[in-house]
Amino acid sequence: DAGVTQSPTHLIKTRGQQVTLRCSPKSGHDTVSWYQQALGQGPQFIFQYYEEEERQRGNFPDRFSGHQFPNYSSELNVNALLLGDSALYLCASSLRRTGTYNSPLHFGNGTRLTVT
Amino acid sequence: GENVEQHPSTLSVQEGDSAVIKCTYSDSASNYFPWYKQELGKRPQLIIDIRSNVGEKKDQRIAVTLNKTAKHFSLHITETQPEDSAVYFCAARPFKGGSQGNLIFGKGTKLSVKP
Repeated sequence: DAGVTQSPTHLIKTRGQQVTLRCSPKSGHDTVSWYQQALGQGPQFIFQYYEEEERQRGNFPDRFSGHQFPNYSSELNVNALLLGDSALYLCASSLRRTGTYNSPLHFGNGTRLTVT
Repeated sequence: GENVEQHPSTLSVQEGDSAVIKCTYSDSASNYFPWYKQELGKRPQLIIDIRSNVGEKKDQRIAVTLNKTAKHFSLHITETQPEDSAVYFCAARPFKGGSQGNLIFGKGTKLSVKP
């Protein structure tokens, strides 16, 4: 039973560029959430996707966008990269269907993004 | 919105001692409180969680307590071992409009267990 997988593991980009990060949820999960974890901090919620729609969004600018595909996998896109976007980007999956309220989040290993 | 405060930021204990990490939350509508362990360079892993209709939950050497009135919850690790060394995060999930909200995390506690 595969857990949450993310790609790539590491990425180096230049200011102003665009980046796409990918996530496959744990088998049986239908909801994907993205978090940004700066060094020495707790994860911060970016947004959540369910049924291919953005359902919730944290306090992040429109430069951060995403997508969920019919197979539940997801992408996180960040445009016009800033130095401050350097962080570990974590994908987490859960099960949202009725009767599974408060399904635990399972995290992937993350993508380490460095913006120079 | 929800805010989660976590203390202490660092904790050093001798092997075999107990460790306690405390968190407070601000949104009384929060009803789910997980704890995650993150080793260096690895993913956060869920170690225990508690729902608001329960006051305490135990799993071997780990226990979590919840005080809804005071809006705080704590992680207790007994008989600590060097492999317990990691960063521990508490989190709270508010209930909004009939659906689960996102997790709000504390800033983490770096636990060091000295042999």
